[in-house]
Amino acid sequence: AQSVAQPEDQVNVAEGNPLTVKCTYSVSGNPYLFWYVQYPNRGLQFLLKYITGDNLVKGSYGFEAEFNKSQTSFHLKKPSALVSDSALYFCAVRGGSGSARQLTFGSGTQLTVLP
Amino acid sequence: DSGVTQTPKHLITATGQRVTLRCSPRSGDLSVYWYQQSLDQGLQFLIQYYNGEERAKGNILERFSAQQFPDLHSELNLSSLELGDSALYFCASSVQGHLTDTQYFGPGTRLTVL
Repeated sequence: AQSVAQPEDQVNVAEGNPLTVKCTYSVSGNPYLFWYVQYPNRGLQFLLKYITGDNLVKGSYGFEAEFNKSQTSFHLKKPSALVSDSALYFCAVRGGSGSARQLTFGSGTQLTVLP
Repeated sequence: DSGVTQTPKHLITATGQRVTLRCSPRSGDLSVYWYQQSLDQGLQFLIQYYNGEERAKGNILERFSAQQFPDLHSELNLSSLELGDSALYFCASSVQGHLTDTQYFGPGTRLTVL
């Protein structure tokens, strides 16, 4: 079965500093990886995805993520954090076979950017 | 705004009751997905439809059912409700339902079972 781990429930970073939200995955076959962000009382917003090709994926709002096959990781990064980036971030994977081919989400990481 | 709409926004009901959640996908999207988000279980995939037909099932209880209509909107029916069914229910849509498709999420329906 496929799975996603977000090892940090909470990440705090000062405004203007770089941020990283970690994600590791487990899936058979090729992984298709996604990052979503959820603001309070809102739905999930798509940030970026990795399908194939360049390991560095650029997405919305200045976010990027690096796919590392050997470490089975897909960490989300941003060079300079904004207070408005404070939200709940979800990593998700799709791949494998059968019912496991559906989108599987991590438990989420609450990012707080301190002014 | 993702283009996916869900109604109602909030629903409060009692145990044993039945409710229907409605979802309209983005224009042009053929595939609809339903998810449940709760504090203890996180975000769980329930069911997927593609162009009116069931495509995949996840952790959906037998008390729950869904369908996708010819105009591509979808409804999720929850019956014999229990306290533990209280959660945020999301609908998402994608163009085809392929593994690589981006799923766009609606704002969700918050269900409270008293």
